[in-house]
This record gives sequence, structure tokens and C-alpha cells, in this order.
Amino acid sequence: SAVISQKPSRDICQRGTSLTIQCQVDSQVTMMFWYRQQPGQSLTLIATANQGSEATYESGFVIDKFPISRPNLTFSTLTVSNMSPEDSSIYLCSVTNGRGTEAFFGQGTRLTVV
Amino acid sequence: DAKTTQPTSMDCAEGRAANLPCNHSTISGNEYVYWYRQIHSQGPQYIIHGLKNNETNEMASLIITEDRKSSTLILPHATLRDTAVYYCIVDAGGYFGNEKLTFGTGTRLTIIP
Repeated sequence: SAVISQKPSRDICQRGTSLTIQCQVDSQVTMMFWYRQQPGQSLTLIATANQGSEATYESGFVIDKFPISRPNLTFSTLTVSNMSPEDSSIYLCSVTNGRGTEAFFGQGTRLTVV
Repeated sequence: DAKTTQPTSMDCAEGRAANLPCNHSTISGNEYVYWYRQIHSQGPQYIIHGLKNNETNEMASLIITEDRKSSTLILPHATLRDTAVYYCIVDAGGYFGNEKLTFGTGTRLTIIP
């Protein structure tokens, strides 16, 4: 199993500012992902965090708005840039070690933009 | 990704078996069926997954039809703590490195005392 520590757990931010969310895993993992969960909605994949290279973004998400880093096999960051109230969501980090294996999720970062 | 269809909500009496159906009629031969659940204000939790055969673990059983077009998650003795949104997911398949999970709307299961 993998234990994920996500920081911060929640934050209230002013519009126009940026917030960086950290995801730390207690063991090396193959794949790391970032999801967004808007209020009352299901999870939507933002991007796959690739070690040592640019993240792979899903349709509707761009690097300028959601820059992602993954310097090694246990750590990744997601930045929400130039925030607006529409960015108020829960952001979740997820990890897995390949197809046919279970994915683990962090407890999420609850972001409120005012 | 193969699309899944689940009922929006279900109720189940405490102590009874909860049977959650999922339709995935466009599933490909190499795609797994995963089940996750999300208890309010928590990250999703893995329950079980399978490819062709039925599977059982300490949490649940997964029954996959022979044609793999549908499956059922069974929680054998539901408790109040099983109240959650349950997601049936068919993976993206393809080459190694494409293991992203696509979440649908899920089934909101409520366990009734």
C-alpha cells in the first residue's frame, strides 16, 4: 500500500493569487495523477504527473493554469494559478503502480477562492 | 475509455447484502473493472477489481458476467459506515503507463438503520 500526505488540507485564497499543493508518498510509485472535484460533482482528471518531464494534461486543462512538477518518484506539486472563485474545489493526488493494481488517493486539498 | 452506467442512488438495510450494479457494454478485452468508494469529505478508497473472473476480498465481492458487459459489487453485510458514493470504473487500457482512472457519477449508497 501507499500512504499519501497532501498539503495543505484546506486553504482560503484571494482571487488572482496562486496556491501550490504538495503530494508526498511514503514509497516510490510509478504513476501520479492530479484530480479536481468540484462541489457536488465527481472527480475529473487534470493531468498525469511525469517524473522529470512535462505533465500530460487532459482536455480542458492547460499547463499555464495548472503547472505540475514531479522531481522524483515520491513527490509532486500542483499549482493553481491566477485563481478565480470557479477554482474552488477539492484537489486530490492519486498514485498507482500500473494497470491491474489499486490506486491510492490523498485526502485532498479543499480550496476556497474568495 | 469504456463508459459505465450506474444507478444514481440506492438504499440498503443495515446487515443486509448491498448489490450495486454496473453496466459496461463497450468494455474491451484487456480492460479491468475497478470499484472505488468515496465517503463524504474523504479521498476515494479502493475496493476491488477484476478482469474476467469473479473476485472476493475482505471488503466485497465482484461478480462479472461471462460476456463482461456488466458487473455487480456485493457488500455482504452492509453497515452504516458503508454509506458512500460507489464508482465503477473501466480502465483506459492500452500500453503500460496509461493507467488513469476516469470517474463517472457513481451510485450514492445509503445504509438504512
